[in-house]
Amino acid sequence: SQKIEQNSEALNIQEGKTATLTCNYTNYSPAYLQWYRQDPGRGPVFLLLIRENEKEKRKERLKVTFDTTLKQSLFHITASQPADSATYLCALGESGGSYIPTFGRGTSLIVHP
Amino acid sequence: EPEVTQTPSHQVTQMGQEVILRCVPISNHLYFYWYRQILGQKVEFLVSFYNNEISEKSEIFDDQFSVERPDGSNFTLKIRSTKLEDSAMYFCASSEVRTGGARTEAFFGQGTRLTVV
Repeated sequence: SQKIEQNSEALNIQEGKTATLTCNYTNYSPAYLQWYRQDPGRGPVFLLLIRENEKEKRKERLKVTFDTTLKQSLFHITASQPADSATYLCALGESGGSYIPTFGRGTSLIVHP
Repeated sequence: EPEVTQTPSHQVTQMGQEVILRCVPISNHLYFYWYRQILGQKVEFLVSFYNNEISEKSEIFDDQFSVERPDGSNFTLKIRSTKLEDSAMYFCASSEVRTGGARTEAFFGQGTRLTVV
């Protein structure tokens, strides 16, 4: 069966450190992978998209890697701040399919001052 | 900055009643979506809409649900005969279509919290 797995345990880090979140998938052939941020009671906010033929994407303090051999994406936030505390969702869109993003459950990040 | 807007932000309804959730997608977007998120669970796809018709739908989107674009700006989700288990956050999203037909990333609204009592 198809799975998108993100760590269910919250990630606690100190301000200024780099946060690394993981998204693993099974039985998908993604055309792209997206990372979203979700604050409590709010809708997901798009952060970054990386396509199947890309290895790495950066945007300001954010970096995403995509390894289609390992079937894994890593999401990094450098110089983390308490304001980065939120749940981070990964979503896949399949190649040859509808491109509609399918979400993982998300990982909660807590950045301590 | 353009955004997807949803109304109401919170809707409480009696079991068995019909509700209509409303969305105004970003104006130049052509694909529209509804997702839901039951408390503590993941965001789940319900339906996508393009060119005035449903383009994809999930198993969740059964005959209880319908979508409509009644005018040039609104996109609605109707839930008939609501059940307790329909209580969730419902998110509308929209995306552009690039030259060649590929969709861009989806932009989400803030959601409508539906509580069925």
